[in-house]
Amino acid sequence: QVQLVESGGGVVQPGRSLRLSCAASGFTFSSYGMHWVRQAPGRGLEWVSVLSNNGGVKYYADSVKGRFTISRDNSKNTLYLQMDSLTVEDSAVYYCAKEVGDYSGFDYWGQGTPVTVSS
Amino acid sequence: QSALTQPASVSGSPGQSITISCTGTSSDVGGYKYVSWYQQHPGKAPKLVIYDVSNRPSGVSNRFSGSKSGNTASLTISGLQPEDEADYYCLSYTSNRIYVFGTGTKVAVL
Repeated sequence: QVQLVESGGGVVQPGRSLRLSCAASGFTFSSYGMHWVRQAPGRGLEWVSVLSNNGGVKYYADSVKGRFTISRDNSKNTLYLQMDSLTVEDSAVYYCAKEVGDYSGFDYWGQGTPVTVSS
Repeated sequence: QSALTQPASVSGSPGQSITISCTGTSSDVGGYKYVSWYQQHPGKAPKLVIYDVSNRPSGVSNRFSGSKSGNTASLTISGLQPEDEADYYCLSYTSNRIYVFGTGTKVAVL
């Protein structure tokens, strides 16, 4: 069965960095694009970033462009999100999600990892 | 990229049908067949209920259906059941090659 397990969340001060990981199993990880989505407390879902199956194509939401970096290691079946220059507005639960197919939506999600940016 | 517009709340009685709209522009909803819908219960991860405008993943009840007309996509839940009470979000691919979610709709089963 498909499983996505995020880790790396926590409490961090503004301006600092954090790296999230998403360990995948139960499917051929190297065949699918992967996404990060976040949800601030009491707020809606916000798409953050996508990385193609081979890591060659990546895109970011304007709100994180230049501060966040998405990457993957297909040999370890793991997706990453490097978050730099964090602000309080980045506080959210971060989910990784697997694509159904190119552009088609996300059929599997992790349980989420919470990130709190606070001084 | 602005969030797609959804009604804040929709309600219905058990057994009724409800429809949630998701309005965008020709650069997102209107321009592509890549609209998907997600159900989210409190404290849980979202669950895909519709992809590519009208396709239902295996295991999702056939009470969920999707459609699109112009710049507006719609999710219809027929035969409303208590377990359908949740937040619902649409998502669209965009001409900027990024994705945008809708503002979210809280469905209440009266």
